[in-house]
Amino acid sequence: DIQMTQSPSSLSASVGDRVTITCQASQDISNYLNWYQQKPGKAPKLLIYDASNLETGVPSRFSGSGSGTDFTFTISSLQPEDIATYYCQQYDNLPRTFGQGTKVEIK
Amino acid sequence: QVQLQESGPGLVKPSQTLSLTCTVSGGSISSGSYYWSWIRQPAGKGLEWIGRIYTSGSTNYNPSLKSRVTISVDTSKNQFSLKLSSVTAADTAVYYCAREYITMVRGVTWFDPWGQGTLVTVSS
Repeated sequence: DIQMTQSPSSLSASVGDRVTITCQASQDISNYLNWYQQKPGKAPKLLIYDASNLETGVPSRFSGSGSGTDFTFTISSLQPEDIATYYCQQYDNLPRTFGQGTKVEIK
Repeated sequence: QVQLQESGPGLVKPSQTLSLTCTVSGGSISSGSYYWSWIRQPAGKGLEWIGRIYTSGSTNYNPSLKSRVTISVDTSKNQFSLKLSSVTAADTAVYYCAREYITMVRGVTWFDPWGQGTLVTVSS
C-alpha cells in the first residue's frame, strides 16, 4: 500500500493567515493526489484534484501543488468557515489511501 | 445532480455480518465511467477505503479487509451494497458510500459525491 503522511496533524491560525499543509507519499505517485475538506459530522468534500486543479465552486483561496512524493495544500487567507479537517488521497494505485488528516482551528 | 444515501442497521453484534446499502438518486448507476465505493471512518480517526464495484460487477477490495468484504450492485434498484463478515469492535465506524469518477484524462479520479454516512456500532 502507498502510505500518505500529512503534517502537521493539527494547527491553529488566525483569520487571514496563510495556512500550509504537506502530504508525503511513500512512493512516486506523479500528480495522482486529491485534497478533501471534512467538517464535523459531515462527509468529506472534494477541493483539489490531480494535485493542483480546483474543483468547480471551490473558493480560489484554496490551492494545491506538488508532484512525485511531496505535495502542498494552501489556504491563502484563512476564513472562519475553513475550520475543518483536511485529507490528502492518492489514486496512483489500489488500495486508495488517505493521509491521517490535518485539523485546522482558529486561534 | 447525483446523490447517495446509505442505509442499514446501526448496531451489529460481534461475529455477525454488517450489511449496508447505498441508494443512488438523480442519475443511473449504470451510466458513465464510475466506480461505486465504500469508505469508512472510525470515530476521531482517518478514512479507510474498503472497496469498489463497477457496474459490470467487477470489484476491487482493500487487501486488509478482502477476506471479509463483498460489494455487489443491483442496477434495477439503482443501489450497491456492502457486506462485511465476522465483525468486531474494530469495525465500528461511520460508513460512507461514494462515487469514484474516472476521467478520460490520464486516469485522473476522485471521490464525489459522498453519502452523508451512517454510523455502525459493533457491540453485543
